[in-house]
Amino acid sequence: QKEVEQNSGPLSVPEGAIASLNCTYSDRVSQSFFWYRQYSGKSPELIMSIYSNGDKEDGRFTAQLNKASQYVSLLIRDSQPSDSATYLCAVNTGGFKTIFGAGTRLFVKA
Amino acid sequence: EAGVAQSPRYKIIEKRQSVAFWCNPISGHATLYWYQQILGQGPKLLIQFQNNGVVDDSQLPKDRFSAERLKGVDSTLKIQPAKLEDSAVYLCASSLRTDGELFFGEGSRLTVL
Repeated sequence: QKEVEQNSGPLSVPEGAIASLNCTYSDRVSQSFFWYRQYSGKSPELIMSIYSNGDKEDGRFTAQLNKASQYVSLLIRDSQPSDSATYLCAVNTGGFKTIFGAGTRLFVKA
Repeated sequence: EAGVAQSPRYKIIEKRQSVAFWCNPISGHATLYWYQQILGQGPKLLIQFQNNGVVDDSQLPKDRFSAERLKGVDSTLKIQPAKLEDSAVYLCASSLRTDGELFFGEGSRLTVL
């Protein structure tokens, strides 16, 4: 079992729709969770961090965490073509190392 | 505030040659990471430093890869000898805390021919 799993996609949504990205992790003692966006040929950049169960909203982005189900998600509302990128889920494990998933490619069609 | 600096940005070598990458983290960030990202995959942690001590290097191929962080600031990642499968982007990142968010440099793209 991979430590952090994501659907590789691609996920295609029309402009203005909600994009939903999902991630599961295996280490139950993980405490910190992150979503990074990576444009082609660029480095990952942080979008959201979440540390406690529930929802965290920042503009068009909402991160959701359910530690009991070992599940993290990212919702992007009013998706724009500029949101087209690979979204990486990252989990800081009990060993204090940050592990990344393989990423989900998102395409937003204009 | 200056970001994470990496060099070189691009390097092309032949297999069995050696290469070194340099990273300067954000000032004050005690934790430094080296990740390897192969095209189409997520970043894979190679080594993590806390100040100048190694926290985790379980995924570092120690027969060919080495890394050091002298004086708890700059870090160097070396590959010797390189293999074709080492072609990847080598990302350096730093963070204020071991459980905090990572800030990445622009990466060093290695092509092994």
